[in-house]
Amino acid sequence: GQNIDQPTEMTATEGAIVQINCTYQTSGFNGLFWYQQHAGEAPTFLSYNVLDGLEEKGRFSSFLSRSKGYSYLLLKELQMKDSASYLCAVRDDEADKLIFGTGTRLQVFP
Amino acid sequence: DTEVTQTPKHLVMGMTNKKSLKCEQHMGHRAMYWYKQKAKKPPELMFVYSYEKLSINESVPSRFSPECPNSSLLNLHLHALQPEDSALYLCASSQEVPLPNEQFFGPGTRLTVL
Repeated sequence: GQNIDQPTEMTATEGAIVQINCTYQTSGFNGLFWYQQHAGEAPTFLSYNVLDGLEEKGRFSSFLSRSKGYSYLLLKELQMKDSASYLCAVRDDEADKLIFGTGTRLQVFP
Repeated sequence: DTEVTQTPKHLVMGMTNKKSLKCEQHMGHRAMYWYKQKAKKPPELMFVYSYEKLSINESVPSRFSPECPNSSLLNLHLHALQPEDSALYLCASSQEVPLPNEQFFGPGTRLTVL
């Protein structure tokens, strides 16, 4: 079966660091994406991991462990504008499509 | 030009109406997608076009009919929809299929079916 799990909601304080976890079980795997989606807007691409390890991109980093079926998105120096949903999506190359997790709604408080 | 555009932004229709959603990209992408997203849920794939041919149909009801007139345009024709079809409809594109990297999403059309 195909299953992608993320926490439903998280809260954090401006300036802090937050880690959003994603675990997955898919029939095929060829990469994991993180997208940010503000309410009422389209998802925007944040990161792509296909090999184990950490990818850093400014305030955002993404980690992947293929053997554990696990990824996380790390957001540093949180800003109010980071309040959004964060979607983990796995590229299932057997099904040849992206499978999205349910998303994590992050609220950043002053 | 690195964006996907969608029209209209909002659409309200009755169950007997026929309407169309439009999507356009000028990035030279050869794969285009329709997703449906309900509130507080992730996007659900509906259709994939690769090189202007339908390659994936996720068992979508026939009241949704996709069309790809050329490599830059993707339409979704709607007919006899139900209130439960109310959702945000997202169009996306990528360089090709299989997915090599990211999909670019349009801003979506928020559809309400009365």
